[in-house]
Amino acid sequence: QLQLQESGPGLVKPSETLSLSCSVSGGSISSPTYYWDWIRQPPGKGLQWIGRIDETGTTYYNPSLESRLTISVHTSNNQFTLRLTSMTAADTAVYYCARSPDDYGDGFDLWGQGTLVTVSS
Amino acid sequence: QSVLTQPPSVSAAPGQKVTISCSGSSSNIGNNYVSWYQQFQGTAPKLLIHDNDKRPSGIPDRFSGSRSGTSATLGITGLQTGDEADYYCGTWDSALSSVVFGGGTKLTVL
Repeated sequence: QLQLQESGPGLVKPSETLSLSCSVSGGSISSPTYYWDWIRQPPGKGLQWIGRIDETGTTYYNPSLESRLTISVHTSNNQFTLRLTSMTAADTAVYYCARSPDDYGDGFDLWGQGTLVTVSS
Repeated sequence: QSVLTQPPSVSAAPGQKVTISCSGSSSNIGNNYVSWYQQFQGTAPKLLIHDNDKRPSGIPDRFSGSRSGTSATLGITGLQTGDEADYYCGTWDSALSSVVFGGGTKLTVL
């Protein structure tokens, strides 16, 4: 059973850079039939798509975050990562990694448990 | 302000049927597939419906999805207290080049 697990700091200072990893276990991130996505949810609010990457390293970013965002795939250790610069309080959220099969119409069939990132000095 | 519009809340009695609407435009729902998610407090969302009306393995047939024009609907029959959760619709928006979600609907089973 494939599982996703986020890891990273729970607290980031304003203006600093957030780095999160998503470890994929029970399957290969190199499969050509999936996108690997990041989605976030501010406390008490709805879902916001951050961006995605495929096994070739091709990325698709939310235009509202694109200038601060880098998503990378690391096939050697079956992980993909998120890097978000110039963090502000508005970036405080639960960050989820998720998988989207390319025949699921952009539906996300697997999710990590999520990790809360708080931006505060 | 979400790109897709959902009612903030819906309610119905146990055993009854409820529908949750998701309204969009031609750049999103009108020309792309819709997915639906169930989220319990403090947990990750769970996929209920993809490609407008397809249920992943393990999702009971009490949950159904449909799309008409620029709107989509999630239906839940035989309501149970365990269905109380937040429900989100999502789709690709071709104008924004992003996946977009509705603001979520809180279901209360009275």
